[in-house]
Amino acid sequence: DSGVTQTPKHLITATGQRVTLRCSPRSGDLSVYWYQQSLDQGLQFLIQYYNGEERAKGNILERFSAQQFPDLHSELNLSSLELGDSALYFCASSVTNGAADTQYFGPGTRLTVL
Amino acid sequence: DAKTTQPNSMESNEEEPVHLPCNHSTISGTDYIHWYRQLPSQGPEYVIHGLTSNVNNRMASLAIAEDRKSSTLILHRATLRDAAVYYCILRALTGTASKLTFGTGTRLQVTL
Repeated sequence: DSGVTQTPKHLITATGQRVTLRCSPRSGDLSVYWYQQSLDQGLQFLIQYYNGEERAKGNILERFSAQQFPDLHSELNLSSLELGDSALYFCASSVTNGAADTQYFGPGTRLTVL
Repeated sequence: DAKTTQPNSMESNEEEPVHLPCNHSTISGTDYIHWYRQLPSQGPEYVIHGLTSNVNNRMASLAIAEDRKSSTLILHRATLRDAAVYYCILRALTGTASKLTFGTGTRLQVTL
């Protein structure tokens, strides 16, 4: 158990819908990262927040957004869903922001868009 | 991000050592070398990291070449539970962010 929790574990929805994925980082961790894992693209970095502020953006679509709240939990919002958005979404957290920091990953949310 | 090259797959017998290679010829002086693994149906898991010197922890050892253009993750006694995809990742502090850029990794199969 990494200490990172993600809800829900599974999500099935239809095209055009909007969903919210939730992540609670390990206690004391200030950084939260979101990653997407699909069969064709592998594991890809989406976005990072550090202590409530956005710090880096990766291959995140404009239909996707995220935020980190004062209690440090984070939410990833996916809207106007398409079939290709079906993937595993992982959240990770780390203590700070450094290149030597370990990232601890949650169990993931499996999103299926029908 | 500097690129890493790993074999697509490797096989090992249980209880034998496994050496997983990684080439990173374009590594810069401030890049850390990280290894993560992903067991089936789980999120990635940190294994080990280093900068210049060899590193040991309870899970594995990391041997870094003197010129830092390659490294090797060593599992001293592979078990069936070590069957996973192993990712070698170079990690630089870019601006104020530090993401992980995953490649395709090495799929390790461990057999009895």
